[in-house]
Amino acid sequence: QKEVEQNSGPLSVPEGAIASLNCTYSDRGSQSFFWYRQYSGKSPELIMFIYSNGDKEDGRFTAQLNKASQYVSLLIRDSQPSDSATYLCAVNPNQAGTALIFGKGTTLSVSS
Amino acid sequence: NAGVMQNPRHLVRRRGQEARLRCSPMKGHSHVYWYRQLPEEGLKFMVYLQKENIIDESGMPKERFSAEFPKEGPSILRIQQVVRGDSAAYFCASSPVGGETEAFFGQGTRLTVV
Repeated sequence: QKEVEQNSGPLSVPEGAIASLNCTYSDRGSQSFFWYRQYSGKSPELIMFIYSNGDKEDGRFTAQLNKASQYVSLLIRDSQPSDSATYLCAVNPNQAGTALIFGKGTTLSVSS
Repeated sequence: NAGVMQNPRHLVRRRGQEARLRCSPMKGHSHVYWYRQLPEEGLKFMVYLQKENIIDESGMPKERFSAEFPKEGPSILRIQQVVRGDSAAYFCASSPVGGETEAFFGQGTRLTVV
């Protein structure tokens, strides 16, 4: 059973701080990794994807991937109250004809 | 460029009725995925389809649930004889190729069984 694990939180950070969200996955052959943001009552929205080991930056967001440790993270710099949402980690198991597997998500709360 | 379109946005059914959920993928996308999300829970994969083909239905309950993606028209998720436990948000996502690229979600259909 391929699994994606996330700490459910809530993760609480003050406005302006760095929020660090973590995700581990069980399938060592996984190649594609995605972070989605979901506001309460809304649909998931793609934030970033990463395929290679290392860091990938996009504005205030940085995705980090360590395939040896089967670990992927999302850093949010200068956190804003509008970043308060549930962040979903998704993994493609690298098999033809498979869909993304999602973690249960981490709830982030940014206080002003 | 319209995104993934799902309808209806909200659907109320009495126990024992049928529910039909529709999903039109983004233009140029031929891969469709259905997920179910219960309150306070994550997205659970149900089924992955391409035009006229079911690629993976390992997440679909064995009874009452079916899905199709015909050559013409939207993908349909059909739930027969609904029960209260079917109440959930059902999300559809689409991608241009299978699996290894990002998928984009529709706004979801919130099914309430009374």
